[in-house]
Amino acid sequence: DVKVTQSSRYLVKRTGEKVFLECVQDMDHENMFWYRQDPGLGLRLIYFSYDVKMKEKGDIPEGYSVSREKKERFSLILESASTNQTSMYLCASRREWGSSYNEQFFGPGTRLTVL
Amino acid sequence: AQTVTQSQPEMSVQEAETVTLSCTYDTSESDYYLFWYKQPPSRQMILVIRQEAYKQQNATENRFSVNFQKAAKSFSLKISDSQLGDAAMYFCAYRSGRVRNQGGSEKLVFGKGTKLTVNP
Repeated sequence: DVKVTQSSRYLVKRTGEKVFLECVQDMDHENMFWYRQDPGLGLRLIYFSYDVKMKEKGDIPEGYSVSREKKERFSLILESASTNQTSMYLCASRREWGSSYNEQFFGPGTRLTVL
Repeated sequence: AQTVTQSQPEMSVQEAETVTLSCTYDTSESDYYLFWYKQPPSRQMILVIRQEAYKQQNATENRFSVNFQKAAKSFSLKISDSQLGDAAMYFCAYRSGRVRNQGGSEKLVFGKGTKLTVNP
């Protein structure tokens, strides 16, 4: 089974702190994604990566950056956390090659609260 | 840009009954994929069912089936014989059929979700 793990289920940080959210997948997937989930807004893509050291902005990249130094790990960084970044963050991974409709596998999510 | 609309924020169904969740989408592409994802309370999001746009036959997975109307850009999910474990948020999602170097994208575009309650 594909496993996508996230470093924390719950995280509480202070405004202005630098925050790192880590995601690891164990199936050698090429693509990795970070989403933000808010009630009534669904999932919105922050960033995605299609290879090591490669990244593309999603729909809401402002205030975030990412790092992918190894294929299995994709980090989301909040350079200076703000209260409007309080949210559920979901990581996902997907195999790029093979079937075009390969599904995305999701991690359990990190609920981040910024005080 | 593609958009996905789920017009029912909440739905409820009696156990053992059938319920249909609605999804419409907007795209100018002819080749794409559609998905329904399920997110149970405090649990991971999982894929329920997927449909390739070039296939006329509606996808089915056990008690889950879709009604794919390409011309109407509609992709509804039918859950038969509803069970308590079906209670969850359900998200409809769209993905381009073009690969990245053809101007496509690997990203999924999600609807805002429908919260399904199953009453015993």
